[in-house]
Amino acid sequence: DVVMTQSPLSLPVTLGLPASISCRSGRSLVHSDGNTYLSWFQQRPGQSPRRLIYNLSNRDSGVPDRFSGSGSVTYFTLKISRVEAEDVGVYYCMQGTHWPYTFGQGTKLEIK
Amino acid sequence: EVQLVESGGGLVRPGGSLRLSCAGSGFTFSTYGIQWVRQGPGKGLAWVSYIIGDGSSTSYVDSVKGRFTISRDNAKNTVYLQMNSLRAEDTAVYYCGRDFFYSVDSWGQGTLVTVSS
Repeated sequence: DVVMTQSPLSLPVTLGLPASISCRSGRSLVHSDGNTYLSWFQQRPGQSPRRLIYNLSNRDSGVPDRFSGSGSVTYFTLKISRVEAEDVGVYYCMQGTHWPYTFGQGTKLEIK
Repeated sequence: EVQLVESGGGLVRPGGSLRLSCAGSGFTFSTYGIQWVRQGPGKGLAWVSYIIGDGSSTSYVDSVKGRFTISRDNAKNTVYLQMNSLRAEDTAVYYCGRDFFYSVDSWGQGTLVTVSS
């Protein structure tokens, strides 16, 4: 299985400032069709996961444009341009290129 | 609107069985695969099982193979996860999710399974 490693695991951020979460995969996530099937999910306290980003950099409908995804091959980043109070929660990366899907350990974002 | 609703969780003794259900609405259920993902207490997300839209193919994480069985009834828009020989380490919130294009684009609210004597 492909190991997904996130950092940091805890991310205290000041409101209005940017935040960045990294995710590394144990092997290339470039699919044979040329796409990179890396998704990002947000899980607010007490809620189900919600997908924010799919296929490396595509935002889901309704996701604020302060969230962006980037990266390539084995190194990926989720950026929040200006953190808001509603962004508190745990963020997970997930790869869908190789079977089975695997998740990172999660990064807990909190407000300083 | 896409909706997934899990049910069937509860408290069960080690060695016991439970059947979880995942009911879908707001989309053509039979054309989508469904994933089961679990989250242990205070832990991260972990993939458990998958079934293709027509039910012809299934997959499981090694730790549940031989104990869990995934199935679906597309006439009822429902996927099932039959869990036998339950262990303490199976304690988790179980989520079902709609599989779409190498990702999970919609999630249910989850159902809690507690395995304890």
